[in-house]
Amino acid sequence: ELKVEQNPLFLSMQEGKNYTIYCNYSTTSDRLYWYRQDPGKSLESLFVLLSNGAVKQEGRLMASLDTKARLSTLHITAAVHDLSATYFCAVDKLAGNQFYFGTGTSLTVIP
Amino acid sequence: EAGVAQSPRYKIIEKRQSVAFWCNPISGHATLYWYQQILGQGPKLLIQFQNNGVVDDSQLPKDRFSAERLKGVDSTLKIQPAKLEDSAVYLCASSLGERGLYTDTQYFGPGTRLTVL
Repeated sequence: ELKVEQNPLFLSMQEGKNYTIYCNYSTTSDRLYWYRQDPGKSLESLFVLLSNGAVKQEGRLMASLDTKARLSTLHITAAVHDLSATYFCAVDKLAGNQFYFGTGTSLTVIP
Repeated sequence: EAGVAQSPRYKIIEKRQSVAFWCNPISGHATLYWYQQILGQGPKLLIQFQNNGVVDDSQLPKDRFSAERLKGVDSTLKIQPAKLEDSAVYLCASSLGERGLYTDTQYFGPGTRLTVL
């Protein structure tokens, strides 16, 4: 079974600071996704990363993928309160139709 | 564009009872997914449909869970009989086409929160 681990599980940071969430997965992957989930809400797609070295940015969030290290990062720049949510990475492996979510990182941005 | 619809939003049942959830995907989306999200965890894929055929149900507890997608549109997920550990949010998602597409983003519904007492 493909395993997807995120760290940290919980993150409390002050507004204006930078931080990185890490996502490690256990086998080769075809695609990697990042999702956001607000409390009591469903998941919202943020990024899809398709190849080694892929980098995508939207506002204060930037995601990258290193397939050789089986690692993706979600970097937060100058955090604002609106970014408070739980962030999930998910790995898609078409062979075997596998789709696995990570453990999630609960982010709280403190004013 | 309407999103993925799910009902009911909340359901409370006693153990050993049966329950069914309904999902209506985004119009034109061929692929439909059911996930189970236990509190504090990431979603776990239970079953994936491509049109009205099952692509993957390897993580579906088939002794008590069943799902169908008649006519390749709406889908229902049933639990019979329910256990305490089935308490979770059940999420339905849909995507445009086959999993092999370049980017096949999944769009999630609001979920059904199930509590088994």
